[in-house]
Amino acid sequence: ETGVTQSPTHLIKTRGQQVTLRCSSQSGHNTVSWYQQALGQGPQFIFQYYREEENGRGNFPPRFSGLQFPNYSSELNVNALELDDSALYLCASSLDLGENTEAFFGQGTRLTVV
Amino acid sequence: QKEVEQNSGPLSVPEGAIASLNCTYSDRVSQSFFWYRQYSGKSPELIMSIYSNGDKEDGRFTAQLNKASQYVSLLIRDSQPSDSATYLCAVRRSGSARQLTFGSGTQLTVLP
Repeated sequence: ETGVTQSPTHLIKTRGQQVTLRCSSQSGHNTVSWYQQALGQGPQFIFQYYREEENGRGNFPPRFSGLQFPNYSSELNVNALELDDSALYLCASSLDLGENTEAFFGQGTRLTVV
Repeated sequence: QKEVEQNSGPLSVPEGAIASLNCTYSDRVSQSFFWYRQYSGKSPELIMSIYSNGDKEDGRFTAQLNKASQYVSLLIRDSQPSDSATYLCAVRRSGSARQLTFGSGTQLTVLP
């Protein structure tokens, strides 16, 4: 148990719809990163939030957006869902932005777009 | 060239043997290195981190880092069937965003 919780665990959406995924970070952690993991691949970085501000973004289109709240929990929003958005979405919580900071993953949200 | 490369496997070893997992990375400014274990259908679990050249041991696991060769490895001694999983190598570069760059993972099977 990492103390990082994600909801929901599974979700089925229709192409074109919008989805919101949620993440509660580990107690004391102020940094949350989101990753997308397609089947058979390693996780791909979507973006990172540090103290409620976006601190970096991977190669994902603007229809992927996020928020971090004062309690450091976070949301990932995806608009205009496409079939290729079907993946495991992972939230990782870190203590801070230190170079050697370890990142701990939640259980993930399995999104299926049909 | 991928930023982080791993042999996809599958790698099979008999129970009790040493499993050796390898990872190379392309960016010389990489600072921190991590090994995650991922069971099928589950999320990645951190098992080792290493930041300096040399070996780091934790129980049955040993991580090895050679920054000159841009190479990091994970050895699992006395492999158990419960070690059967996909092992992900992750690298963090220095810079403002502390994101991890992952390899595609190596699937390990430990045969009873």
